[in-house]
Amino acid sequence: DQQVKQNSPSLSVQEGRISILNCDYTNSMFDYFLWYKKYPAEGPTFLISISSIKDKNEDGRFTVFLNKSAKHLSLHIVPSQPGDSAVYFCAASANNAGNMLTFGGGTRLMVKP
Amino acid sequence: DTGVSQNPRHKITKRGQNVTFRCDPISEHNRLYWYRQTLGQGPEFLTYFQNEAQLEKSRLLSDRFSAERPKGSFSTLEIQRTEQGDSAMYLCASSFRGTTSTDTQYFGPGTRLTVL
Repeated sequence: DQQVKQNSPSLSVQEGRISILNCDYTNSMFDYFLWYKKYPAEGPTFLISISSIKDKNEDGRFTVFLNKSAKHLSLHIVPSQPGDSAVYFCAASANNAGNMLTFGGGTRLMVKP
Repeated sequence: DTGVSQNPRHKITKRGQNVTFRCDPISEHNRLYWYRQTLGQGPEFLTYFQNEAQLEKSRLLSDRFSAERPKGSFSTLEIQRTEQGDSAMYLCASSFRGTTSTDTQYFGPGTRLTVL
């Protein structure tokens, strides 16, 4: 069973606009959530994270929102830039499970100039 | 560059051969993780170490797979008698687990394995 799901395989956004990437999870034991960005033939690059005790975390153009009751998180990128075009993975971990990451299937973001 | 490094970056082998991959974590990190990623999927957890102790193994890690981290520094992942289904990107990540309950994992560039 997929414990972390990214239901949109792709997203296309105009440069300068907001990109919103969504992620849903089912395991209520998850207490730490991360977003990674991945270019082809490279490993995932850490972007931003959020602990389950918070509902928002911001870092520059990137903001992650967590809705625990809905088991949903989202990544907002404002303003979007062409260099943001990549595959974005949502990941979750549980402190009582060694913090191993469970990933979603990824969303390919394309930012058009 | 003090990031996670992995060698080789690419490996092509014939079915039935053994292969070994190496991961060098960020120097002060005490945890090291191995993941596998196939095309169109997110990475899947294989195993992890805290220092030199292997603490968890996924059911994906069949008995043909073995991982070591002999001195709590670099790690190796060996696959014996490779099969075509082993073709994937093998990713290594490291993190520092201190007194907080969360730790952020940083990934290496991966080793792409192709089994012919």
